[in-house]
Amino acid sequence: LAKTTQPISMDSYEGQEVNITCSHNNIATNDYITWYQQFPSQGPRFIIQGYKTKVTNEVASLFIPADRKSSTLSLPRVSLSDTAVYYCLVGGPNTGNQFYFGTGTSLTVIP
Amino acid sequence: NAGVTQTPKFQVLKTGQSMTLQCAQDMNHEYMSWYRQDPGMGLRLIHYSVGAGITDQGEVPNGYNVSRSTTEDFPLRLLSAAPSQTSVYFCASSSDITGVDEQFFGPGTRLTVL
Repeated sequence: LAKTTQPISMDSYEGQEVNITCSHNNIATNDYITWYQQFPSQGPRFIIQGYKTKVTNEVASLFIPADRKSSTLSLPRVSLSDTAVYYCLVGGPNTGNQFYFGTGTSLTVIP
Repeated sequence: NAGVTQTPKFQVLKTGQSMTLQCAQDMNHEYMSWYRQDPGMGLRLIHYSVGAGITDQGEVPNGYNVSRSTTEDFPLRLLSAAPSQTSVYFCASSSDITGVDEQFFGPGTRLTVL
């Protein structure tokens, strides 16, 4: 499985931009990078996915450098409701359709 | 459209008992999977399926069985429950058989084995 490494926790004030970086040194050629958000007592929820360069949707941006060995999830102007655990996943056909969630990054947004 | 549903929400078992955790989806997704999440940990893949009649093992398959007789249902069976299987179990599905595309997760089943 393509393993990932993320910071265990981060704090941010409301209204700030938050960047969470994920390391995935053994990413395979056909693997995609996907980020999920999980609130307590709920299942994870898809945020964004990318293969290379930059992807943006209505809630986040994903930056992927050319070597694809890391990626950065950017959350613009966070609010208290963004307090959650964020997981970076790498996987696809080359990892046998399996995905490694890791321990994620616990983001706490402070008023 | 109910999405992914799981039953029961909570369950307490005694060591050695067996039970089946139910998972169903109404989105006609081919890819379905089961994860377990222990306190303070991320999710670990137990088993997954890329279509009816096709299942495969994930990272932590020991002690669990699965089958996929229909596209909609993907039950997880514990043959002889052990305290180490105390966890929260999540089922997920995806329209992409590789699972790369967005996975939709159910609300989870909280299992305690005494």
